[in-house]
Order: sequence, then structure tokens, then C-alpha cells
Amino acid sequence: RKEVEQDPGPFNVPEGATVAFNCTYSNSASQSFFWYRQDCRKEPKLLMSVYSSGNEDGRFTAQLNRASQYISLLIRDSKLSDSATYLCVVNDSGTDKLIFGTGTRLQVFP
Amino acid sequence: GAVVSQHPSRVICKSGTSVKIECRSLDFQATTMFWYRQFPKQSLMLMATSNEGSKATYEQGVEKDKFLINHASLTLSTLTVTSAHPEDSSFYICSAREGLAGLETQYFGPGTRLLVL
Repeated sequence: RKEVEQDPGPFNVPEGATVAFNCTYSNSASQSFFWYRQDCRKEPKLLMSVYSSGNEDGRFTAQLNRASQYISLLIRDSKLSDSATYLCVVNDSGTDKLIFGTGTRLQVFP
Repeated sequence: GAVVSQHPSRVICKSGTSVKIECRSLDFQATTMFWYRQFPKQSLMLMATSNEGSKATYEQGVEKDKFLINHASLTLSTLTVTSAHPEDSSFYICSAREGLAGLETQYFGPGTRLLVL
């Protein structure tokens, strides 16, 4: 079983749509959780950290369910510029290493 | 914000040659740098962690004699792919973290695309 699993997609949605991505992780001792965005042939960039109480940043909402070892990202009012691959990232518990999922590809069309 | 640069951005080389990739933190001191590799349609995989002034710690399955890492200063780490082969062709990305900063403050370089012919 992979340490961080994501649906690879692609998710093709029209502008203005709401889309949600899910991610599961295998290590129950993981402490920190993140969503990164990676554009084609570019480096990943931090989109947001994910906190236990859930958190929101503009059109983006992240949720964490420790009991189910599940993380989600909700994007509201999708923009064309949101088209990218979204990486679920979990830290390796007890270390400062980041473990990346393979990513979920989002394509927003006009 | 913090900036991490990598050089070169792209390199094509013949099989058997060695390639050096530089990773620099431009406006902060990176006590820890990480080297990742990403094959097409796959996730970033951590290759090694390097701390300034000490030997790098390699992940399982990564040959330390093939991927030489030097972190000689607080702003520079280098990865040398020795005797490169076509299967080493990949996207190599470094990241850097300042001091005891949190995990979210790991800044990524723009990556180096290596093609070995």
C-alpha cells in the first residue's frame, strides 16, 4: 500500500464549479499535512497546510480526518488558472521528511 | 519570499558522463536541503537529506556512490549523478529549509530536467 494515495484524475470541470479531492495516508502517526500545487514541468508550490480543525484560504478549504486518515481539498468557483496537479503531502512522523502523493490532475475548462 | 535556485535547468548528456546540479538558497541560510527525483506521472521521491557540514542521509534504494551530495555551505548543495545512464533521466528537484523552521517552510527549487542519451 502506498503511503499517500490519491485519485490521479483527471478531473475536468467547467469554470465556476466546485471540485473536491481526497487523499488517504497510511501512517497514523503522521503529524503534518499539506496540499501542494504542481504545474506541468514545474516544481511543487505550497498551497496550504491542513489543520485538524480544518482551514480555509479564499476559495480553498482543507479538511483532515485523523480517525480515517483522510485529507480533503475543496476548491470553490474554479478558475482556469486552477488547472494543475494537486499533491497531497504528509510528513514522515518523527522526521522532517515529506512524503508526496502522486497527485490529482485538475483541468478547468471555459 | 524565500527563493531557491537550481542550475542547470536542463541538461542532456551522454551515457557514462557525470552531471552536477547546484541548489542555492538565495536569501536565507539553509541548514537542511533535500533532493528529490520525479519520474513522469509519478510522485516526488526523496533521495537524500543533507545538513550543512555533515554527510548526507540517503533514502533506502538510493546509491550514495552514484548520487554524490555535497552541502559545503549554508547556501549551496550539489548533487552529482556519476556515470549517468538513461534510467537516470528524470526531474531532479531540491528544497531547502531554514534552521528549525516548520515543515511548511521547505522551499523548492525550479528543478533540473536530466536526459541521458
